[in-house]
Amino acid sequence: DAGVTQSPTHLIKTRGQQVTLRCSPKSGHDTVSWYQQALGQGPQFIFQYYEEEERQRGNFPDRFSGHQFPNYSSELNVNALLLGDSALYLCASSTDSPYEQYFGPGTRLTVT
Amino acid sequence: GEDVEQSLFLSVREGDSSVINCTYTDSSSTYLYWYKQEPGAGLQLLTYIFSNMDMKQDQRLTVLLNKKDKHLSLRIADTQTGDSAIYFCAPRRGSARQLTFGSGTQLTVLP
Repeated sequence: DAGVTQSPTHLIKTRGQQVTLRCSPKSGHDTVSWYQQALGQGPQFIFQYYEEEERQRGNFPDRFSGHQFPNYSSELNVNALLLGDSALYLCASSTDSPYEQYFGPGTRLTVT
Repeated sequence: GEDVEQSLFLSVREGDSSVINCTYTDSSSTYLYWYKQEPGAGLQLLTYIFSNMDMKQDQRLTVLLNKKDKHLSLRIADTQTGDSAIYFCAPRRGSARQLTFGSGTQLTVLP
């Protein structure tokens, strides 16, 4: 079992650009959640995708959007990047029963 | 919304027990999770407890839940240097699907 995988591992972007991060869930999982973890902080929930739709959303602006594909993989898109978007972006996959979220290794995004 | 508080740092000697504490504010929390994060890595699910339980033991890990005081603890028996990491407690509020994380506790195991 490959577990949750994310790509790329690291990314450097310039302020104002757009970025797409990718996530493949653990085998058998149909739900993908995205979290942002700033340096020295705990992860903060961005949104969750299930059945190709956004099921729940945290307190993040519309610049953050996502997509889930029929094979359950997911993308996180961030537009008009700000310096404050620099963080580790974590993807977690789960099923509803039991409700266990398994995290990927993350993508480290640096905005300069 | 949910607030989660943890002590920032804990140091223990190798072989001793570690106890990491967590308080949360939302009494509707149903599941409460413990995650471990090593430097530069994602989060590893260690264990979790359902809110109708007081205690759960899983090998070297013991979780205690005091629902009245909204207090959760993780005890690691016979702590090893490989246990050095940041530990997060993360309640799941009611029927919500996201987890709420505190700032985590940095555990340092001294030889």
